[in-house]
Amino acid sequence: GESVGLHLPTLSVQEGDNSIINCAYSNSASDYFIWYKQESGKGPQFIIDIRSNMDKRQGQRVTVLLNKTVKHLSLQIAATQPGDSAVYFCAEYTGNQFYFGTGTSLTVIP
Amino acid sequence: DTGVSQDPRHKITKRGQNVTFRCDPISEHNRLYWYRQTLGQGPEFLTYFQNEAQLEKSRLLSDRFSAERPKGSFSTLEIQRTEQGDSAMYLCASSLRGADTGELFFGEGSRLTVL
Repeated sequence: GESVGLHLPTLSVQEGDNSIINCAYSNSASDYFIWYKQESGKGPQFIIDIRSNMDKRQGQRVTVLLNKTVKHLSLQIAATQPGDSAVYFCAEYTGNQFYFGTGTSLTVIP
Repeated sequence: DTGVSQDPRHKITKRGQNVTFRCDPISEHNRLYWYRQTLGQGPEFLTYFQNEAQLEKSRLLSDRFSAERPKGSFSTLEIQRTEQGDSAMYLCASSLRGADTGELFFGEGSRLTVL
């Protein structure tokens, strides 16, 4: 199967600080990527996506950066809030399917 | 609620029993996906349907796993002769267009515990 990995399994940040979550993917042919947020006991929730013809995409308080040279994705969350505490997954789309990484658990310290 | 609905939310069973999970996608969504998620891991793709056609099933974990979507609306995932290793969260997702449009909506999952 595909290999999508995350550099850090856990991340703790102070409320109001910016968070950066990283992800490495293995398939250079992947052309679409999504970041999902998953709260305890719930299904994954779409945060932001990016296509391989882009390097950066911004949403509300979130930015995704894509570096195709090193097959790396990052999710930046600005002014992190307690409600951002969750597990974050990156997923790469290839072969008509999504392959998810292991996830990073983000804890926001009030 | 017009989201993806899964039932039951929790199932505890003894090893060797059969279990069935149901997924009701968002209405008018013609694509339906099943994933499995174990603790600390990301969702793992199992199978998907477009309408009633099962277009990918090679990633079903064994021949004990089967899925149906008989009328192109709700879907069921059955696990026969359950094993302790089957304990996991089983997630369903649906989309109207392809999953690469960002419009892939997940249900809250059915958690299976095999004793």
